[in-house]
Amino acid sequence: AQTVTQSQPEMSVQEAETVTLSCTYDTSESNYYLFWYKQPPSRQMILVIRQEAYKQQNATENRFSVNFQKAAKSFSLKISDSQLGDTAMYFCAFMKHVNAGNMLTFGGGTRLMVKP
Amino acid sequence: DSGVTQTPKHLITATGQRVTLRCSPRSGDLSVYWYQQSLDQGLQFLIQYYNGEERAKGNILERFSAQQFPDLHSELNLSSLELGDSALYFCASSVGGQASTNEKLFFGSGTQLSVL
Repeated sequence: AQTVTQSQPEMSVQEAETVTLSCTYDTSESNYYLFWYKQPPSRQMILVIRQEAYKQQNATENRFSVNFQKAAKSFSLKISDSQLGDTAMYFCAFMKHVNAGNMLTFGGGTRLMVKP
Repeated sequence: DSGVTQTPKHLITATGQRVTLRCSPRSGDLSVYWYQQSLDQGLQFLIQYYNGEERAKGNILERFSAQQFPDLHSELNLSSLELGDSALYFCASSVGGQASTNEKLFFGSGTQLSVL
């Protein structure tokens, strides 16, 4: 079974500083996709970044980047120059085939507070 | 705005009742996914439809059912409601849904269900 683990229930960071959120996953598949989603207080789920497992290069999206370690099954999210608007729950997720479709499995989430 | 529309935003009902949640996917998206978010269970995948056909099933109770109509909107029916069914129900959509696991899911803003 595929599982996704986020070991940090809560984190805080000062505005303009850098923070890293951890995620580990378990799978026997060789090709898959990993995602980070953000859920601000509005509760909307927003895609932050996506990583393809067969690509060694780490994905980046503006201030957001990942550190993907396939052998270690680790997929951390780095937020640079943190802004107040980054305050949210962050979910790591793993996409796999199920039957004839796809299923996105989420970790338990990390609540990030950006302090002024 | 993700382009995925869910109605209603809030729903309050009593135990034993039946409710219907509605979702309209983004224009051009053929897949619809339903997720349940609760404090104790986190984000749980319920079911996926692709162009009207069920493609993947997760931890969906027998009291719950879903369908996707020819115009691609989807409905999630919850019956014989229990207190534990209180949760935030998300709908998400994607372009495809079968061939690869790189599908980006775009989430609606959710329906908050309260069972009293």
